[in-house]
Amino acid sequence: DAGVTQSPTHLIKTRGQQVTLRCSPKSGHDTVSWYQQALGQGPQFIFQYYEEEERQRGNFPDRFSGHQFPNYSSELNVNALLLGDSALYLCASSYGWVGPSYEQYFGPGTRLTVT
Amino acid sequence: GENVEQHPSTLSVQEGDSAVIKCTYSDSASNYFPWYKQELGKRPQLIIDIRSNVGEKKDQRIAVTLNKTAKHFSLHITETQPEDSAVYFCAAVVATGTASKLTFGTGTRLQVTL
Repeated sequence: DAGVTQSPTHLIKTRGQQVTLRCSPKSGHDTVSWYQQALGQGPQFIFQYYEEEERQRGNFPDRFSGHQFPNYSSELNVNALLLGDSALYLCASSYGWVGPSYEQYFGPGTRLTVT
Repeated sequence: GENVEQHPSTLSVQEGDSAVIKCTYSDSASNYFPWYKQELGKRPQLIIDIRSNVGEKKDQRIAVTLNKTAKHFSLHITETQPEDSAVYFCAAVVATGTASKLTFGTGTRLQVTL
């Protein structure tokens, strides 16, 4: 049973560039959430996708956008990169309908460095 | 929105002692409270969770307690071992329908010394 996977593992980009990060949810899960974790801090919620729609969004600018595909995998896109976007980007998967199960399981993350 | 405070930020205990980490939350609608352990350079791992209709939950050496009236919940680790050394995060969730955003605390770095 595959867990949550993310790609790439590490990425180095230059200010102003655009980046796409990818996530495949745990088998049986249909909801994907994205979090940003700056060094020494707790993860901050970016947004959540269910049934290919953004269901919730945190306090992140429109430069952060996402997509969910019919196979439940997801992408996070960040445009016009800033130095402050350097962080570990975590994907978490869960069941869409929270009644049966609330748990969210995290992937290994993508370490993004903006220079 | 929800705000979660976590204390202490660092905690050092001797092997075999107990460790307690405390969190408070602001949104009375929060109904699910997970705890994650994150080792250096690795993903956060869910170690225990509790729902708002339960006051206490235990899993071997780990237990979590919830006081809804006071809006606080705590993680208790007994008989600590060196492998318990990590950063621990509490989180609160208002889980309704298809929405379940995790709001994390600031983390507690636990060091278990020999």
